[in-house]
Amino acid sequence: GAGVSQSPSNKVTEKGKDVELRCDPISGHTALYWYRQSLGQGLEFLIYFQGNSAPDKSGLPSDRFSAERTGGSVSTLTIQRTQQEDSAVYLCASSWEDAPNYGYTFGSGTRLTVV
Amino acid sequence: QKEVEQNSGPLSVPEGAIASLNCTYSDRGSQSFFWYRQYSGKSPELIMFIYSNGDKEDGRFTAQLNKASQYVSLLIRDSQPSDSATYLCAVDDYKLSFGAGTTVTVRA
Repeated sequence: GAGVSQSPSNKVTEKGKDVELRCDPISGHTALYWYRQSLGQGLEFLIYFQGNSAPDKSGLPSDRFSAERTGGSVSTLTIQRTQQEDSAVYLCASSWEDAPNYGYTFGSGTRLTVV
Repeated sequence: QKEVEQNSGPLSVPEGAIASLNCTYSDRGSQSFFWYRQYSGKSPELIMFIYSNGDKEDGRFTAQLNKASQYVSLLIRDSQPSDSATYLCAVDDYKLSFGAGTTVTVRA
């Protein structure tokens, strides 16, 4: 597609439930990134995929968080046993290669609310 | 120490004035620097990137980079109410590391 597509745009879930967030990057972009933005805060790096290389998971805050990228395209971020502190906007971005010389293109995000 | 620090703001400027945003970074090896604009409730959008020391101008925006001082800034000339947003500084260390952002309000 023309841009980075994320779904759902909003998700309300009960504490303890699992959630899946989806990201469909720009066609041809080999690098895909997940960030989290809590209210009034900057962007917190979560995970990075580049081509067929092993993902950089260094930003995942706990083992409740995991992500995969199938076929070098669509990515899913899964949060298990959600907690209230997981409430945030989850942003996905993609770029042409692992050196973001032209910056990333961000999706519109998924706003997650854990009640 | 955080990797990327921005002046915390908020910054309020009158319409037509210059808004000056500052950012420092900790990794002396960083090569690429970006400014993103984020309107309330929206995702960040890239407005400027700079790699070389000195100034880079694009319309009303000027990015300034001083690698020796590990400092990058953004000037917005002739500020307009539509410039009211949060501005995020980002530094490339194979992934982008973002500052917390500076919120700018342009008063009509």
